[in-house]
Amino acid sequence: DSGVTQTPKHLITATGQRVTLRCSPRSGDLSVYWYQQSLDQGLQFLIQYYNGEERAKGNILERFSAQQFPDLHSELNLSSLELGDSALYFCASSVDSSGYEQYFGPGTRLTVT
Amino acid sequence: DQQVKQNSPSLSVQEGRISILNCDYTNSMFDYFLWYKKYPAEGPTFLISISSIKDKNEDGRFTVFLNKSAKHLSLHIVPSQPGDSAVYFCAASADVSTGTASKLTFGTGTRLQVTL
Repeated sequence: DSGVTQTPKHLITATGQRVTLRCSPRSGDLSVYWYQQSLDQGLQFLIQYYNGEERAKGNILERFSAQQFPDLHSELNLSSLELGDSALYFCASSVDSSGYEQYFGPGTRLTVT
Repeated sequence: DQQVKQNSPSLSVQEGRISILNCDYTNSMFDYFLWYKKYPAEGPTFLISISSIKDKNEDGRFTVFLNKSAKHLSLHIVPSQPGDSAVYFCAASADVSTGTASKLTFGTGTRLQVTL
């Protein structure tokens, strides 16, 4: 158990809908990272927040947004969903902003039908 | 553009033998490399890492070798055990030494199966 929690574990929704994925980092960690893993692909970095502020951005679509709240939990919002958005979404956390040794949650499996 | 490549999607090794997982990278700015292990229905777990100033790092049965000139790293598991069966991801980060790094760039993974 990494100490990072993600909810829900599974999500099935229709095209055009909007969903919110939630992540709670390990106790004491200030950075949260979001990754997307599509079928047979490596993990693609989406975005990083550090202590409530956006720190780094990867290949995140404009339809996707994230935020980190004062209690350090984070939410990833996916809107106007398309079939190609079906993937595993992982959240990771680390103690600082350097990205050194990130600890991953179990992931949320999103299926868009 | 795949900056971190794991060209072998799968590997099968007998219990007790050595497992060697390979990873190549193209970005010369990478200065920190990590291996993660992933079981089904779980998130990746950190296994071992190496800084670009080293060429070898060892932790128990796991050793990572880095060849900077070839932009190649490998993970050796000796001896391999059935519990090592998982997907192994190679990851790299840039600017760790300056404290400005953040994102990890992952390879596509190698599925290791350790047979009895």
